[in-house]
Order: sequence, then structure tokens, then C-alpha cells
Amino acid sequence: DAGVIQSPRHEVTEMGQEVTLRCKPISGHNSLFWYRQTMMRGLELLIYFNNNVPIDDSGMPEDRFSAKMPNASFSTLKIQPSEPRDSAVYFCASSLSRGITDTQYFGPGTRLTVL
Amino acid sequence: AQSVAQPEDQVNVAEGNPLTVKCTYSVSGNPYLFWYVQYPNRGLQFLLKYITGDNLVKGSYGFEAEFNKSQTSFHLKKPSALVSDSALYFCAVRDETGRRALTFGSGTRLQVQP
Repeated sequence: DAGVIQSPRHEVTEMGQEVTLRCKPISGHNSLFWYRQTMMRGLELLIYFNNNVPIDDSGMPEDRFSAKMPNASFSTLKIQPSEPRDSAVYFCASSLSRGITDTQYFGPGTRLTVL
Repeated sequence: AQSVAQPEDQVNVAEGNPLTVKCTYSVSGNPYLFWYVQYPNRGLQFLLKYITGDNLVKGSYGFEAEFNKSQTSFHLKKPSALVSDSALYFCAVRDETGRRALTFGSGTRLQVQP
């Protein structure tokens, strides 16, 4: 299995621009998670989907952030407009949900730099 | 609210010596505990998890972790460290209420010296 695939691996953009991060979960997994990693706040959950439906978006920082999962094999995280404080590594993870004991498998991450 | 503490920012150990990376947690009800490892510029890799049963959990790459309910701890251990074990280690917890997000500790950098 190819594992969780994220693109791009690195993104450098200017403040105010729209940024779209992409994720392909492991085939057969039905849950998808977006996390953000920063030095100040560590790893924190932004949003997760179960069977393509957003279940918990309480971690989404503000209206500038949005996430979609149009089908079981693709998800996007969009930031519009981007700000320098959004600079972080964004991870996507997926799991096969059999209750709350399932294991999340992480992608390699997208390192976002907003100038 | 659930939380995880990793009290050591960095652990240094000589190759061949045993290693321990500490983790304590706080949750309501029964905890589900996980260890992940992160190598530079890579995603998190799953090492092991505790759900129920035997307090000693064995995982990948020779790692194991001991669940101690009375001390609310889940320390990661390995009998003999390798230089290639040098990485950032994260402990994570999820409670039994149904919220499936993981709460991560701040991470511990393990440095194994040759």
C-alpha cells in the first residue's frame, strides 16, 4: 500500500494568497484527519471526517480555513486568505474506523510557509 | 479534557543501552494510548498502542511500552538503543467518550550516541 499521500510536500506563498493542500487516504480507510504541527502549539487536530462527512471541526482556527472530502479517496484543506501565522506543517491521517480504538496512519505532511 | 505530558524535551542515551521515554496522561474514563515516531521531514509513524489487556505492549522496531494505571503513565522502552532510533517521539491519548481525535504530547527528542 502506498500509504497516505499528501501534496504538495512544500508550499511557499505570499500573504493573502489562497492555498490548497491535498490528501489521498489509504485505500479502504473511512476516516480522515487533518492535523497541524507548529513549534508553539505542537500537533493539533483541525478537522476529521467519517465516511466523507465532517464530524468534528472544532479545531479549525477560523473562517479562513475550510476542508472538504468529496469522495472516499480525496480531501482538501484550503486557506483563504493565507497569513504568516498559518505557516506550519499540515498532516493528513487516515484510519479504518472500528470504533475509537482504530490506529491513525499519517502522511508525510505539507510544509507551508506564508511570507 | 484529556491531556498528555512528556516531561523530557530530550533524552540522550548511548548505543546499546536501554532507553525510556516518559509519558503521563489525564483522561476521563479508560485511556487509549499510542506512541508515534517522527523522523526529520517525515510524517508520524505508528509504533504501538494500548487498548486493554496486558499492561506491556510490544510494537515495531523492538519498542515496547508499559501501561501503569495507578501512575497514569505509558512509558516507551527499548532494551538496547540503536543510533537509528534517534528521532522525535510522540505519546498520544484518546478517551472512551467517542471523540476520535488524538491528543498529542509535546514530543521528546531521542538522541542515541554511538
